[in-house]
Amino acid sequence: AQSVTQPDIHITVSEGASLELRCNYSYGATPYLFWYVQSPGQGLQLLLKYFSGDTLVQGIKGFEAEFKRSQSSFNLRKPSVHWSDAAEYFCAVGPNAGNMLTFGGGTRLMVKP
Amino acid sequence: DAGVTQSPTHLIKTRGQQVTLRCSPKSGHDTVSWYQQALGQGPQFIFQYYEEEERQRGNFPDRFSGHQFPNYSSELNVNALLLGDSALYLCASSLWSRSGYGYTFGSGTRLTVV
Repeated sequence: AQSVTQPDIHITVSEGASLELRCNYSYGATPYLFWYVQSPGQGLQLLLKYFSGDTLVQGIKGFEAEFKRSQSSFNLRKPSVHWSDAAEYFCAVGPNAGNMLTFGGGTRLMVKP
Repeated sequence: DAGVTQSPTHLIKTRGQQVTLRCSPKSGHDTVSWYQQALGQGPQFIFQYYEEEERQRGNFPDRFSGHQFPNYSSELNVNALLLGDSALYLCASSLWSRSGYGYTFGSGTRLTVV
């Protein structure tokens, strides 16, 4: 069975500081991996996805993620956080991008001025 | 280009009642998936519809049912509502032949069961 673990429920960073959100997954085959962002009361917006190729993936809003097969991880990073990045972030895994996805429990990011 | 549209945005129902939620997919998409997101949790897959048939189903009881119409829009029906059904219900659309392109999510319907 596939599963996703986001170990950090809440993270607070100062504006301008770097950010890393952790994601560990369990999947039997080569997975599709995703990071989504959700603002309060809103749906999910795709930040980036990975299936194959370069293990460092660039996304929207200055985010990137690195796939590490040996560690079953797909951590999300941003070099300098903006106040508008405050939101909930979800990592997800699936057999392909448009099929059933399994989401982690999410990490709530707060940004201090 | 309209994205995914869900209606209503909010509703309140009483235990034991039935509810219908609606979703219009993004223009050009032909596949609709439904997710349930309880407060403070990640979304959980309910089911997926393509060509008016349920293609995949998550671990949800058969109180949860759906339908897809010829114009690709979809409904989610929940019977005999329980307090635990209170959640944000998200609709996501995609193109079956281009599944690698991924989902577009709607903003959701917030269901409160009292």
